[in-house]
Amino acid sequence: GENVEQHPSTLSVQEGDSAVIKCTYSDSASNYFPWYKQELGKRPQLIIDIRSNVGEKKDQRIAVTLNKTAKHFSLHITETQPEDSAVYFCAASSSNAGNMLTFGGGTRLMVKP
Amino acid sequence: EPEVTQTPSHQVTQMGQEVILRCVPISNHLYFYWYRQILGQKVEFLVSFYNNEISEKSEIFDDQFSVERPDGSNFTLKIRSTKLEDSAMYFCASSDWAGVEKLFFGSGTQLSVL
Repeated sequence: GENVEQHPSTLSVQEGDSAVIKCTYSDSASNYFPWYKQELGKRPQLIIDIRSNVGEKKDQRIAVTLNKTAKHFSLHITETQPEDSAVYFCAASSSNAGNMLTFGGGTRLMVKP
Repeated sequence: EPEVTQTPSHQVTQMGQEVILRCVPISNHLYFYWYRQILGQKVEFLVSFYNNEISEKSEIFDDQFSVERPDGSNFTLKIRSTKLEDSAMYFCASSDWAGVEKLFFGSGTQLSVL
């Protein structure tokens, strides 16, 4: 089955700097890659996603890039703010696995003011 | 904005006891899921439910687990005889026609098995 690895597990940046979180996946049939943000004590919330037919997607300060050949995708947050501090999870879903998301291990992002 | 609601937020039980975790998905959603997260580990898929039946389940979802949609609004996860290793945060999620895309998660039930 699918295996998703996520790095780093923790990331500390200064306010205003950029943050990059990387994930790799194993199943070449995976075609959908969402990113979830989970603030302390709250539910995971979808912040951006990408399908395998595009290489990059941007929404204001966040962007996701996908390299299908290398089987990795990344989350980029620019001009980080303290409210970006949270745990971020990447995930992958394969057309062979129907409605199942496989998650990465999470990255705890801390933005220092 | 509509939300997936889960009750209780915390559940403490003795090993071997049965527990039922409850979820109210978003009303017009079609797909329902349970995920769990053991402290410090990945979010793991347990089961998906569509059209009143299980559509997928993981290896974790063994005979001790069952799901039910007893009425038009609730979606429950039952663990028949809890084990210590069942201690985790259990998340319910739902989605509309988009399926696994655009999942909405509940705030979770923290299950502690003593």
